Amino acid sequence: RKEVEQDPGPFNVPEGATVAFNCTYSNSASQSFFWYRQDCRKEPKLLMSVYSSGNEDGRFTAQLNRASQYISLLIRDSKLSDSATYLCVVRGSQGNLIFGKGTKLSVKP
Amino acid sequence: EAQVTQNPRYLITVTGKKLTVTCSQNMNHEYMSWYRQDPGLGLRQIYYSMNVEVTDKGDVPEGYKVSRKEKRNFPLILESPSPNQTSLYFCASGLAGGGEQFFGPGTRLTVL
Repeated sequence: RKEVEQDPGPFNVPEGATVAFNCTYSNSASQSFFWYRQDCRKEPKLLMSVYSSGNEDGRFTAQLNRASQYISLLIRDSKLSDSATYLCVVRGSQGNLIFGKGTKLSVKP
Repeated sequence: EAQVTQNPRYLITVTGKKLTVTCSQNMNHEYMSWYRQDPGLGLRQIYYSMNVEVTDKGDVPEGYKVSRKEKRNFPLILESPSPNQTSLYFCASGLAGGGEQFFGPGTRLTVL
């Protein structure tokens, strides 16, 4: 099982749609989780951290299910500017960050 | 301005010609890392450094070297580049134990 797995997509959705991305991780001892966003040919940037209790930032909600080793990202009321690749990230046992391959989102007018 | 800089941004070279990609950060971060990104394979870690004089292999270290003599710099060295090292390379830095990594703009390397 890969350390961090994501559905590669692409997810093609209309503006205003709600879209959810899922991610699973293999190391049950992992403590820190994040979502990064990467625009085409640009560097990845932190979107949000994922806390045990779940957290929300505007239209974005991140959830963690430790029992199932599963992380999710929900985007409500999608905008054209949300089009990007979303990377699930888990902190490894050595302190390094382990990136999933990313899920590509395309929001259409 | 807080940033991570990489040079060069674009490089075309030939097999076997040693090259160095520089990475520098001005945020006093302990942690620095190099990644390569290839279509369908995502970001793969090459090497990382938790602090000065401390470096560790990532997932794909073969064919690469790094050094961390100063906190701000973390150069990536390809002693004898090969075509399979053609890729987009990112350097990143962050606080030790912190979640956010700040990435450089990337270096697109082509080895002929």
